[in-house]
Amino acid sequence: QKEVEQNSGPLSVPEGAIASLNCTYSDRGSQSFFWYRQYSGKSPELIMSIYSNGDKEDGRFTAQLNKASQYVSLLIRDSQPSDSATYLCAVYNFNKFYFGSGTKLNVKP
Amino acid sequence: NAGVTQTPKFQVLKTGQSMTLQCAQDMNHNSMYWYRQDPGMGLRLIYYSASEGTTDKGEVPNGYNVSRLNKREFSLRLESAAPSQTSVYFCASSGLWGNLANQPQHFGDGTRLSIL
Repeated sequence: QKEVEQNSGPLSVPEGAIASLNCTYSDRGSQSFFWYRQYSGKSPELIMSIYSNGDKEDGRFTAQLNKASQYVSLLIRDSQPSDSATYLCAVYNFNKFYFGSGTKLNVKP
Repeated sequence: NAGVTQTPKFQVLKTGQSMTLQCAQDMNHNSMYWYRQDPGMGLRLIYYSASEGTTDKGEVPNGYNVSRLNKREFSLRLESAAPSQTSVYFCASSGLWGNLANQPQHFGDGTRLSIL
């Protein structure tokens, strides 16, 4: 079992819709959780960090963490074609970051 | 504000050649990491350095060596390159807030390495 699991997609949503990306992790001791966006041929860039249970909002992005169920999600409201990218979920535990394989999001105009 | 700088950006090697990928960060981060990314495989950790003077193996260390030269610099060496090491290599760094959380990683732009 991988440390971090994501649906590889692609997830296709129409422009203006809400995109919902999900991630599960295996180690209950995981401490910090991150979402990165990666455009093709580019390096990952941080979208959101979340450290405690609940929701965290930043503009059009909302991260949700449920440690009891061991999942993290990212909601993107009013999706734009520029949001089309691969989204990586990362989990920090004892000096290492564990990455999922990413979910490819396509936002169609 | 450079962040994480990797050199070179592109490199083509022949099988058996050696080379060193360089990485430097200017954010005073304690931890530094080397990843490789292959299509459909996500980011795989090669080696990491939790602090200056320490290095540890990650998920795929075979064929690589690292050196944490100082707090700023963390290099990755391929001693005898193989075609299986063709990949995109990313260096990252992160800081630490106390014992319970970690600052997110910041990534360099990557090195695209092809081994013929």
